[in-house]
Amino acid sequence: NAGVTQTPKFRILKIGQSMTLQCAQDMNHNYMYWYRQDPGMGLKLIYYSVGAGITDKGEVPNGYNVSRSTTEDFPLRLELAAPSQTSVYFCASSLRDRGTDTQYFGPGTRLTVL
Amino acid sequence: GESVGLHLPTLSVQEGDNSIINCAYSNSASDYFIWYKQESGKGPQFIIDIRSNMDKRQGQRVTVLLNKTVKHLSLQIAATQPGDSAVYFCAEKGAGGGNKLTFGTGTQLKVEL
Repeated sequence: NAGVTQTPKFRILKIGQSMTLQCAQDMNHNYMYWYRQDPGMGLKLIYYSVGAGITDKGEVPNGYNVSRSTTEDFPLRLELAAPSQTSVYFCASSLRDRGTDTQYFGPGTRLTVL
Repeated sequence: GESVGLHLPTLSVQEGDNSIINCAYSNSASDYFIWYKQESGKGPQFIIDIRSNMDKRQGQRVTVLLNKTVKHLSLQIAATQPGDSAVYFCAEKGAGGGNKLTFGTGTQLKVEL
């Protein structure tokens, strides 16, 4: 299994541009998540999904959108990029199993908005 | 609001010594805790977890201790190696739905040769 994969690894955007961060997992996990990590900080939850067709907001959803049309894919969309969205973005997935819900993370996408 | 925090931002240890990384949590309803390791430029990697009905769990060279009375979590690494150098995060999951984790800020572990 490849686990959780993310593309691209790096991206530079201009203010106002849009882009989609891709995330895929091949572990048949039902839960998927998007986090952002600012320098020297912990991870903050942007959006999550408990299954195909179901998404919900996390702690910092403003400026982002998600969709979950399949179990495997969970893309994150930035419509109007702003400098405040400069961060490293991590996608994760988990399989809820008797209350132990270990999340497995992808390698991250480093985004800079200028 | 509820939060998870770490006592020490940086911990330096000699190679071969034991490391102890601490974490305080404030949500008494949290029922599941995880330690993650994050190396530079990589995503967080699962180390060990513990459920709230346990107070100790051991893995390979790592032990997690949970003290629910004082809402404290610790990660012990035995015989610390240079490859253990990383940022370590504790995370907690509340009893609610959605499997959402709350992460602490992180502790930088530096292993000196």
